[in-house]
Order: sequence, then C-alpha cells, then structure tokens
Amino acid sequence: ETGVTQSPTHLIKTRGQQVTLRCSSQSGHNTVSWYQQALGQGPQFIFQYYREEENGRGNFPPRFSGLQFPNYSSELNVNALELDDSALYLCASSRAASGGLADTQYFGPGTRLTVL
Amino acid sequence: KNEVEQSPQNLTAQEGEFITINCSYSVGISALHWLQQHPGGGIVSLFMLSSGKKKHGRLIATINIQEKHSSLHITASHPRDSAVYICAVRSEETSGSRLTFGEGTQLTVNP
Repeated sequence: ETGVTQSPTHLIKTRGQQVTLRCSSQSGHNTVSWYQQALGQGPQFIFQYYREEENGRGNFPPRFSGLQFPNYSSELNVNALELDDSALYLCASSRAASGGLADTQYFGPGTRLTVL
Repeated sequence: KNEVEQSPQNLTAQEGEFITINCSYSVGISALHWLQQHPGGGIVSLFMLSSGKKKHGRLIATINIQEKHSSLHITASHPRDSAVYICAVRSEETSGSRLTFGEGTQLTVNP
C-alpha cells in the first residue's frame, strides 16, 4: 500500500464523452504526476502538478487537462474521448522541495478506462 | 528509438535461478528507477538510483552513468517474483519528477 488512491478503479465510456479521474496523494506529498499506460506498453507521461500549478506536460493534446487542489489531490479530465484513449491511467505522488527535484514517486493502483 | 530500452522483453526462469534485466538510456539523467508492476496494474517502486549499487533483500540494482546502463538482478528467484519490471529515468533536462519509462520486461518464474 502506497497511500495513493485512485477512483474509479474501472470505467467504461463511449466515444465523444468526457471523463474525470481522481487521485488522492500520499500525506505530505505536494507533487502529482499522471501517466497513460496502453496495454503491453510502458507508461507515458501526461503532465505533472506541483503546488496546484502545471509543472511539465508530455505529448498529449489539450483535451487532456488536469487540476490539483489545495489538499494536493488531483483530477485528470479527458474530453471528446477517442477509442485510443482506452488505457490504464496512473497517478503518482511525490514530495518536492521548493524549486527542487522530487523524491521517489508512489503510484496509485490506476484507473482502467475503456472507450467503446 | 526510445529514450529508454529494456532487455529482454520477456524472460522465463526456473525457481532459484539468478535473473538479470537490463536497461539502457540515451539522455542525461538525474535518477533512474526500477519499478515492479503486477497484473491489475499496481506499480511499486523498487529502487531509485543515481550512482553505484543498491540492494534490498534478493534484489540488487546497479547503474553505470558513463555507459548509460543499469541492471536489475534477482537472486534465488521465486514464482512470486513474476511481474513486469520497468526501468524509468528522470531526465536532468526536465523540471520536477517527470519519468520516461521503458517498455517493461515480463518475468515469469516457474516452480
């Protein structure tokens, strides 16, 4: 158990719909990263939030957006879902000193999204 | 070419065997992670390395910064070690703790 939780665990949507995935960070962590893992592949970085601000973004279109709240929990929103968005979505929390590199990342169990 | 390459992609071993999984990367890094992923998706961080060698139980991780190469070794392997092992690097060029992942190595240990 890492102390990082994600909800829901599984989700089925249809093309064109919107989805919100949630992540609750481990206590004391101020940084959240989101990753997309397609079947049989390694995770791909979507974006990272540090103290409620986006702090880096991977090669994902703007329909992937996020939020980090004052309690450092986070949401990933995906609009206009496409079939290729079907994947395991992982969040990872860590603690970063001001302006510095973060410590080890602790991963949540993931949300399995299926787009039909 | 991926920034992080792992070999082998798949590995089958008999219980008790010594196992090595390799990771090569092409960028300057500030840290390298070895992660374990079980069926169902949960990822556990095994090691974070920036130099040298670390050991935890039957697991040993080494890194050679000059050669841009890391290895994960499992001694006296056991069926419960069966999982996907993933190498991930934190580039020194990016801020924060963004990780770039390899494709993973599927390890199966048979009794």
